Amino acid sequence: KAGVTQTPRYLIKTRGQQVTLSCSPISGHRSVSWYQQTPGQGLQFLFEYFSETQRNKGNFPGRFSGRQFSNSRSEMNVSTLELGDSALYLCASSLEGGGGAQQYFGPGTRLTVT
Amino acid sequence: KQEVTQIPAALSVPEGENLVLNCSFTDSAIYNLQWFRQDPGKGLTSLLLIQSSQREQTSGRLNASLDKSSGRSTLYIAASQPGDSATYLCAAPGGAQKLVFGQGTRLTINP
Repeated sequence: KAGVTQTPRYLIKTRGQQVTLSCSPISGHRSVSWYQQTPGQGLQFLFEYFSETQRNKGNFPGRFSGRQFSNSRSEMNVSTLELGDSALYLCASSLEGGGGAQQYFGPGTRLTVT
Repeated sequence: KQEVTQIPAALSVPEGENLVLNCSFTDSAIYNLQWFRQDPGKGLTSLLLIQSSQREQTSGRLNASLDKSSGRSTLYIAASQPGDSATYLCAAPGGAQKLVFGQGTRLTINP
């Protein structure tokens, strides 16, 4: 089975712009979670989607949003980018979701905001 | 609110040594805990998922234990190799649908 894929792998954006990141889960997995990883804050939960519904959201401003499609692929969008949004964005998929589910992570998208 | 702490933050040992990485969590009402490995600039690779009913889980040279009563988990690496150099992260459920991660232990194995 193919693993979790994320596109693009690298992005450079300017402050004020918006960006969309994509995640394709492992085939058959219906839950997709997103995490932000920075050197200072470590890994922080953004949100989780299951069957096109957001079930949980972390403590991030409304500039961070996401969605999930009927084929379980997910996108996250960050509007009005700030320098502090520079980070590695990781998505993870699991069969049914839930914090205790076996999570499989993708390679991440490295976002740099200048 | 779940909080996860990993000690030490960094560890450097010579090749061949056995070593233990520590993870502690504040909310012991968990049903499992996961250990991951992360190479620089890469995503997370799942190493072990240990259920609360198991107390221990093994994969090759890796062995993870879980003690809910004390809020602790350990990852034991036997006969360390330079290829084991990476950051090791533990993660515990932090409520519905999310994992709470520790800050990781950066491990360096010196040839």
